[in-house]
Amino acid sequence: DAKTTQPPSMDCAEGRAANLPCNHSTISGNEYVYWYRQIHSQGPQYIIHGLKNNETNEMASLIITEDRKSSTLILPHATLRDTAVYYCIVRQTDSWGKLQFGAGTQVVVTP
Amino acid sequence: DSGVTQTPKHLITATGQRVTLRCSPRSGDLSVYWYQQSLDQGLQFLIQYYNGEERAKGNILERFSAQQFPDLHSELNLSSLELGDSALYFCASSVQGGGEEKLFFGSGTQLSVL
Repeated sequence: DAKTTQPPSMDCAEGRAANLPCNHSTISGNEYVYWYRQIHSQGPQYIIHGLKNNETNEMASLIITEDRKSSTLILPHATLRDTAVYYCIVRQTDSWGKLQFGAGTQVVVTP
Repeated sequence: DSGVTQTPKHLITATGQRVTLRCSPRSGDLSVYWYQQSLDQGLQFLIQYYNGEERAKGNILERFSAQQFPDLHSELNLSSLELGDSALYFCASSVQGGGEEKLFFGSGTQLSVL
């Protein structure tokens, strides 16, 4: 699976949009981009995933560049409960297991 | 609530001992994954089972073993425990275990080896 690069930390003001970047320049055509988050020692929580097109659900939006080498997770209206470590993961469509977590981005939402 | 149940929540034991961690997947999920999270290593994939069979293996030590039972619950056995085995152990489940699937994680078992 391709490796991802994320900034180690970022701050966001409550109520504002949080834009979390992820670089996956070695991604191949059969690899999905997944985002999970982990709120202080709780189990990781699935947020969203995509292959080529932009995706949106009740939690977030995922914007994937046309060349698929990078993506951005958007939390439209950050709340204090969104403070967490956010993981960007690339996974092959035919991959079994091995969801590989990197260091992620520590997001702190401030009042 | 993810629907994945892990027991116990906390476990304190001594070096050299053996412990068993238990995981009940979400109803209908056939695949179970085990992860270890320590401060210096982050979230590490250990092993995956699908419908009772081992499907994928990660950085699992030989002192560790796992199995998935016919009722689909899984157990992770850790033996000859060392101080460095102290970590959060997470179990996750998914419907099949491949491709475009979401993993649902339990709340973890905090293991402290003294």
